[in-house]
Amino acid sequence: DVKVTQSSRYLVKRTGEKVFLECVQDMDHENMFWYRQDPGLGLRLIYFSYDVKMKEKGDIPEGYSVSREKKERFSLILESASTNQTSMYLCASRGGTGTGGNQPQHFGDGTRLSIL
Amino acid sequence: TQLLEQSPQFLSIQEGENLTVYCNSSSVFSSLQWYRQEPGEGPVLLVTVVTGGEVKKLKRLTFQFGDARKDSSLHITAAQPGDTGLYLCAGGPYNQGGKLIFGQGTELSVKP
Repeated sequence: DVKVTQSSRYLVKRTGEKVFLECVQDMDHENMFWYRQDPGLGLRLIYFSYDVKMKEKGDIPEGYSVSREKKERFSLILESASTNQTSMYLCASRGGTGTGGNQPQHFGDGTRLSIL
Repeated sequence: TQLLEQSPQFLSIQEGENLTVYCNSSSVFSSLQWYRQEPGEGPVLLVTVVTGGEVKKLKRLTFQFGDARKDSSLHITAAQPGDTGLYLCAGGPYNQGGKLIFGQGTELSVKP
């Protein structure tokens, strides 16, 4: 079974702090994704990566950056946290290369981040 | 921007009732996936439909992809309390790699 592990289930930070959310997958997947989930809005894509050191902006990248130095690890960075970034953050990985869009995405259990 | 409109957003029913969740778009998708999410966990894939008009069944759940590949439905027969959860549809746009566009989700509560 694919396992996607997010480093923290709950996190509380203060405005202006630099925040790191870590995600590790154990299935050698090429593709990894970061989403935020807010009530009534579904999942919105922040950034994704098709390969090591490669990243692409999703639909809501503002205020975020990512890092993928190793294939199994994809980090989301909030450069200067703000209260409107309080949310549930979900990491996912997907097998297949290129346009393998029919492959399922495998999700971690999420990090509930509160910015005070 | 491609959007997926999912309805209803909330559904509260009694055990044994039937229900249908809809997922609609003005855009064509190469595939449509349905996920289920329980509290405190990430979404888990239920099914992928890839052919227009395709129907797939998973026990009491029936999934259909519209002929024009713009919409999908999830029908649950004789709902059980164990079906309670958040149901999400997700479309795979053409020519956008493995990106998925998610609907807003349907929060289903099945009361015993």
